[in-house]
Amino acid sequence: QQPVQSPQAVILREGEDAVINCSSSKALYSVHWYRQKHGEAPVFLMILLKGGEQKGHEKISASFNEKKQQSSLYLTASQLSYSGTYFCGTEFSGGYNKLIFGAGTRLAVHP
Amino acid sequence: NAGVTQTPKFQVLKTGQSMTLQCAQDMNHNSMYWYRQDPGMGLRLIYYSASEGTTDKGEVPNGYNVSRLNKREFSLRLESAAPSQTSVYFCASSVQGEQPQHFGDGTRLSIL
Repeated sequence: QQPVQSPQAVILREGEDAVINCSSSKALYSVHWYRQKHGEAPVFLMILLKGGEQKGHEKISASFNEKKQQSSLYLTASQLSYSGTYFCGTEFSGGYNKLIFGAGTRLAVHP
Repeated sequence: NAGVTQTPKFQVLKTGQSMTLQCAQDMNHNSMYWYRQDPGMGLRLIYYSASEGTTDKGEVPNGYNVSRLNKREFSLRLESAAPSQTSVYFCASSVQGEQPQHFGDGTRLSIL
């Protein structure tokens, strides 16, 4: 039931764009995105709800494709501060359920 | 600073020893969580407390116990530590009905 994140790792130069995907084999109710810098706590970025709109956080946005049971995180014009590991957490049905996290996507942005 | 505070930050134990990881939040949140994070595995929920007075098992509860001492504090206890419990442990909190949004800095636990 663990969602699959792709790619596993991305290397970018400042200003480049990236897309991180989070796919589930089970129907999703919501997807939560977090970023974690090395040695630090995860930081909540945004939540995507089934049937909800695309969300944004600065130059980071995300979408939720119900047909594919997939969420995509878009990082536009990447900055050095975007480096870290991005995790998606998936919730499978309405009401309050436990998040199941993906294994993470490591993103490194270089000057 | 407001947030989630975990103690200790680092700990080394011998197999069979017991210890309690402490967590406190000052955001008046009802819900609190304990996760463990292992390389390549993401975060896995150990236990959570939707509100004061309630606790429920997560994905990987075996070998752990929890206590929701009051609204602010949620502790995690390892009764007889095993090497498989070597991990980084994160406490988190949220408004009731929401998924975790605020995490502590983690406790790095090694069991020899």
